[in-house]
Amino acid sequence: GQQVMQIPQYQHVQEGEDFTTYCNSSTTLSNIQWYKQRPGGHPVFLIQLVKSGEVKKQKRLTFQFGEAKKNSSLHITATQTTDVGTYFCAGPFQGGSEKLVFGKGTKLTVNP
Amino acid sequence: EPEVTQTPSHQVTQMGQEVILRCVPISNHLYFYWYRQILGQKVEFLVSFYNNEISEKSEIFDDQFSVERPDGSNFTLKIRSTKLEDSAMYFCASSRTSGRATDTQYFGPGTRLTVL
Repeated sequence: GQQVMQIPQYQHVQEGEDFTTYCNSSTTLSNIQWYKQRPGGHPVFLIQLVKSGEVKKQKRLTFQFGEAKKNSSLHITATQTTDVGTYFCAGPFQGGSEKLVFGKGTKLTVNP
Repeated sequence: EPEVTQTPSHQVTQMGQEVILRCVPISNHLYFYWYRQILGQKVEFLVSFYNNEISEKSEIFDDQFSVERPDGSNFTLKIRSTKLEDSAMYFCASSRTSGRATDTQYFGPGTRLTVL
């Protein structure tokens, strides 16, 4: 079945260092979405990428969607303690589905 | 900003008991979803609901589960006879227009279900 894989599973950085998480799908995605979940919290929508090769920025966060629309990345520049949480990518299950398939997430911890 | 709300925040139940988890989606949203997240694991789709009927469900959503929109604002998930492995965080989500996972899904704060 369709799988969405994320690496790394955990990332521990010093405040000020950069951070990147990678997402790969076993199938081509119509779009990819990124969510952030703070410890004890719920997934909060960050962004959606739709076009092949698309790059979007939100302040220190840069999101990319691969040319083949099967992979994506989230890069955070100069991490802050407020960036702590688990970052999930999610894509629609096989074409016109309503079901979002989530990756296992990358848990980011930031040392002050 | 409108948000999805869920009650209760934490539910403790005995194995075999029925539980009902409640959600109030964002008011002008048309598509509703339930997801679950076992502690430390990824978020898993359970079911989507549109126009008063289930539009899609996963293999997790077996006969023990049911969903209902009893009135114009609430959306409920019922687990008929809970099992230990049902212990998880259950998230309700809603989206405005498209059910094809292209429209942003807004998640509620979750209900933590503990089955003893």
